[in-house]
Amino acid sequence: GAVVSQHPSRVICKSGTSVKIECRSLDFQATTMFWYRQFPKKSLMLMATSNEGSKATYEQGVEKDKFLINHASLTLSTLTVTSAHPEDSSFYICSAKGLAYEQYFGPGTRLTVT
Amino acid sequence: AQSVTQPDIHITVSEGASLELRCNYSYGATPYLFWYVQSPGQGLQLLLKYFSGDTLVQGIKGFEAEFKRSQSSFNLRKPSVHWSDAAEYFCAVGVPDSWGKLQFGAGTQVVVTP
Repeated sequence: GAVVSQHPSRVICKSGTSVKIECRSLDFQATTMFWYRQFPKKSLMLMATSNEGSKATYEQGVEKDKFLINHASLTLSTLTVTSAHPEDSSFYICSAKGLAYEQYFGPGTRLTVT
Repeated sequence: AQSVTQPDIHITVSEGASLELRCNYSYGATPYLFWYVQSPGQGLQLLLKYFSGDTLVQGIKGFEAEFKRSQSSFNLRKPSVHWSDAAEYFCAVGVPDSWGKLQFGAGTQVVVTP
């Protein structure tokens, strides 16, 4: 149980375009999901907290107009990187919060902006 | 503000030897404590968690961790490592009533030699 999927696993896009990443909790409902960014050989940086049916809460320094988060259902949250630039290239990981406070992580999405 | 410290960036251990990964936290009360493992290019998998009660926690894959309040530590141990244990290990701290947000340590990379 407690499986979280992400799609796509890898994406390459041109600078200036937008990319959408999906995060799904497959076998449980998640009122809260989180989006992280991870740089090579670095820890996870929390970008935002996504609550179903409400606006996401962004961490300090994260541009909410650039990283659009939508949590339309109890099993799906999406992250859209708008007008992507090469510096947005990174490994993006989502997680879903379980009933007992723990988080279950997706496998991550490798974004490369050319 | 809370913080999580993993003093060892990199540990090399022989297969079959014991492993201990250190984690120290800074927080006024007892936070929720977690250990996650990340294989290359993958998301994070929960190894174990501590909320309250017995200070010695058993997890998956033969791992255990001990919470020591006096030392503000939550060290992870495994009696005999396998080559498949080579990965990045993250300690994380959660503050109760903070929407489930976690703060991660910098991670410890574990290399297993034959």
